[in-house]
Amino acid sequence: KNEVEQSPQNLTAQEGEFITINCSYSVGISALHWLQQHPGGGIVSLFMLSSGKKKHGRLIATINIQEKHSSLHITASHPRDSAVYICAGGFGNEKLTFGTGTRLTIIP
Amino acid sequence: GAGVSQSPSNKVTEKGKDVELRCDPISGHTALYWYRQRLGQGLEFLIYFQGNSAPDKSGLPSDRFSAERTGESVSTLTIQRTQQEDSAVYLCASSSGTGFLNTIYFGEGSWLTVV
Repeated sequence: KNEVEQSPQNLTAQEGEFITINCSYSVGISALHWLQQHPGGGIVSLFMLSSGKKKHGRLIATINIQEKHSSLHITASHPRDSAVYICAGGFGNEKLTFGTGTRLTIIP
Repeated sequence: GAGVSQSPSNKVTEKGKDVELRCDPISGHTALYWYRQRLGQGLEFLIYFQGNSAPDKSGLPSDRFSAERTGESVSTLTIQRTQQEDSAVYLCASSSGTGFLNTIYFGEGSWLTVV
């Protein structure tokens, strides 16, 4: 069964803190997506990665294929980073399997 | 268009009525997806189109749900005889190729409330 699990479910941090959100998945993943969902529902794709590490601005995503684990990091967090972060696994078909999301709140 | 466009953005309907939700994907994107998200819950896959064909309809929750795509462009998700449990945001997404290997672009969603 294709499974994707995220932790933590909720995360509150002070502005400026370094944030890490974790995602673990079952075998067979071909690609892993990190998505950001803002209050009001809009979803933005942050990263798609199948190996290594990607960086965009203050966001960094890593994936360790051997450990079946991915992390999303946010450096110098800001209140506008407050959102739900979702990891989703592509297991070789078109049915992405979604994690339950991590609700991030950054306090000024 | 510049992004994935969905309409209506909000729809309130009476139980038992039919509703149609529309998605305009990014021009040239061959793959189109419909997802559902109930309040406070995660995303559920409904259906996927490659061109005008739907190779995978396994996520459609019941035979009251159907979807079509024409011209490798616009897609319509139809819910017949709506029930209160159909209340959710319905999200459309598109990508230029095989979605799990390409960036997926989401629309803003159609918020459906069945009363």
